[in-house]
Amino acid sequence: QVQLQESGPGLVKPSGTLSLTCTVSGGSISSSNWWSWVRQPPGKGLEWIGEIYHSGSTNYHPSLKSRVTISVDKSKNQFSLKLNSVTAADTAVYYCAREQAGTGQLDYWGQGTLVTVSS
Amino acid sequence: QSVLTQPPSVSGAPGQRVTISCTGSSSNIGAGYDVHWYQQVPGTAPKLLIYVNNNRPSGVPDRFSGSKSGTSASLAITGLQAEDEADYYCQSYDSSLSGFYVFGTGTKVTVL
Repeated sequence: QVQLQESGPGLVKPSGTLSLTCTVSGGSISSSNWWSWVRQPPGKGLEWIGEIYHSGSTNYHPSLKSRVTISVDKSKNQFSLKLNSVTAADTAVYYCAREQAGTGQLDYWGQGTLVTVSS
Repeated sequence: QSVLTQPPSVSGAPGQRVTISCTGSSSNIGAGYDVHWYQQVPGTAPKLLIYVNNNRPSGVPDRFSGSKSGTSASLAITGLQAEDEADYYCQSYDSSLSGFYVFGTGTKVTVL
């Protein structure tokens, strides 16, 4: 059973960088899947942030592309999210998820972690 | 803002059938991209409910079904149960700009 777990600071200062890591267990990050980040502001809907393949190929949401970097560490079976120049609008629960290649459904999700942007 | 539009809320009595629409455009659902559905109980992570338009993952009751036509998709819940009270989101791919995945606006299902 694949499991994902997000980790990282729960509080980030405005204009700073949000950094999160997703650790995958029960499966290999080098499998034929993409790996995604999704966020959900408090009381609002889901927003796809971006995805990465174990080769390092990435795709990002156009609205966040200038501020986002997703990377992979195959030796640790982890992938990471960095979002710079954050504002209060980036306050959200951040989820990592496994994405089925070719069809795009997110079949396994982490529990999510709340990141608050505040001074 | 999302490019997939869902009704904010739907409700039904136990045992009834409810449907949730997901309206897109020619750059996403209408272009033939697959639609997936998720169920999210408040305070928990979303759970995959329907994938590739009308397929149920193992363990999802057959009370849940999906369909797609033109630029829209729908999720139907038959035999509504109290445990179905949750938020539901559709997801598809949009080919505009550089291409990206998009979620619907979300629908709250209330069991009366």
